Amino acid sequence: AQSVSQHNHHVILSEAASLELGCNYSYGGTVNLFWYVQYPGQHLQLLLKYFSGDPLVKGIKGFEAEFIKSKFSFNLRKPSVQWSDTAEYFCAEYNFNKFYFGSGTKLNVKP
Amino acid sequence: SQTIHQWPATLVQPVGSPLSLECTVEGTSNPNLYWYRQAAGRGLQLLFYSVGIGQISSEVPQNLSASRPQDRQFILSSKKLLLSDSGFYLCAWKNTGELFFGEGSRLTVL
Repeated sequence: AQSVSQHNHHVILSEAASLELGCNYSYGGTVNLFWYVQYPGQHLQLLLKYFSGDPLVKGIKGFEAEFIKSKFSFNLRKPSVQWSDTAEYFCAEYNFNKFYFGSGTKLNVKP
Repeated sequence: SQTIHQWPATLVQPVGSPLSLECTVEGTSNPNLYWYRQAAGRGLQLLFYSVGIGQISSEVPQNLSASRPQDRQFILSSKKLLLSDSGFYLCAWKNTGELFFGEGSRLTVL
């Protein structure tokens, strides 16, 4: 069965620090990849997605992710985080009608 | 525009009682529908998904079942709740390639 792994369960950063959250997927075929974010008290919402084409994907709020097929990775990055980025981040993979999610990474940005 | 409604938002039920969580989608037709359970530190676990009326696929054998009696209605049920069924349940739908989530239902089984 497909699986998605997120390596960092809890990340604490100061404002203006750079962010990189790791995500690895297992399926070796064509994949659709996503990053979702859940702000405190809010429902899950899409940050960015990759279906094909340019492996560097730009999302909302200054986030980006890079698809590296040889590494089965889709890491999320942001050059300079803000306090408002405090949230839980989920990587997800879609194929065969199913979305598989990683265990999530809680990001705590200190002002 | 498309919207998704999920209810009830919170539910406290005794062990052994039945469960029914309902989800409806508006503004679209023939969506793929999903039920997930979200547990702290464990991400989102796919429970059921449906690609059409009456078509249900189960991902994890457990004490729950799902039904899709209408195109835009997805129901999560249990005949007898267990303590381990406590959790946060999310309904979601897919139309143009991405997943849209409802606001969730918090179930506490006592």
